[in-house]
Amino acid sequence: DIVMTQTPSSQAVSAGEKVTMSCKSSQSLLYSENKKNYLAWYQQKPGQSPKLLISWASTRESGVPDRFIGSGSGTDFTLTISSVQAEDLAVYYCEQYYDTPYTFGAGTKLELK
Amino acid sequence: EVQLVESGGGLVQPGRSLKLSCLASGFTFSNYGMNWIRQAPGKGLEWVASISSSSSYIYYADTVKGRFTISRDNAKNTLYLQMTSLRSEDTALYYCARRNNNYGFAYWGQGTLVTVSS
Repeated sequence: DIVMTQTPSSQAVSAGEKVTMSCKSSQSLLYSENKKNYLAWYQQKPGQSPKLLISWASTRESGVPDRFIGSGSGTDFTLTISSVQAEDLAVYYCEQYYDTPYTFGAGTKLELK
Repeated sequence: EVQLVESGGGLVQPGRSLKLSCLASGFTFSNYGMNWIRQAPGKGLEWVASISSSSSYIYYADTVKGRFTISRDNAKNTLYLQMTSLRSEDTALYYCARRNNNYGFAYWGQGTLVTVSS
């Protein structure tokens, strides 16, 4: 199974701050035939279902603000929020869909400083 | 608008069975693979099972293999999860989810809560 490791587990932030969080996979998520990384990022707010933010490691979903930036390739990935807003306080999960079993990281919780 | 509505959760004793349903609307259900994902209280997300559009391909997490069965009825636009030999560690909010063309889980239901306790 592919293990997804997210760091940090929690982070205290102030509005307007730039935030980065990491997701590392135990094996490469880069598929050689199409050069795509099979990695997605989700945002989950309390009491809500997860929301897809980014697919293919860096493709932002329609309607997702451009302050959310996904980057990385192979086994190392990053989600950056360029200027955190109050509504961004949530738990963020990465997920690999390279192979079954699909696996999620344990999440990074953004909290208010 | 894509809608996924789960039902069938509840309180069940260890060792017993429960069947979850997910009614889909707003898209051609028979064209898409579907998934169950769960979240234990206060914990992260765990993929449980996937089924292809025609039920030809089915996959399970090792934690539920042999105990849970995913199925679908394309005529009824409904996804199912039959859960047997339930354990306390199966206690979770169970989501029905569908991937979009970018392969991320773009569509989620609101979840149905399963509590396994004596």
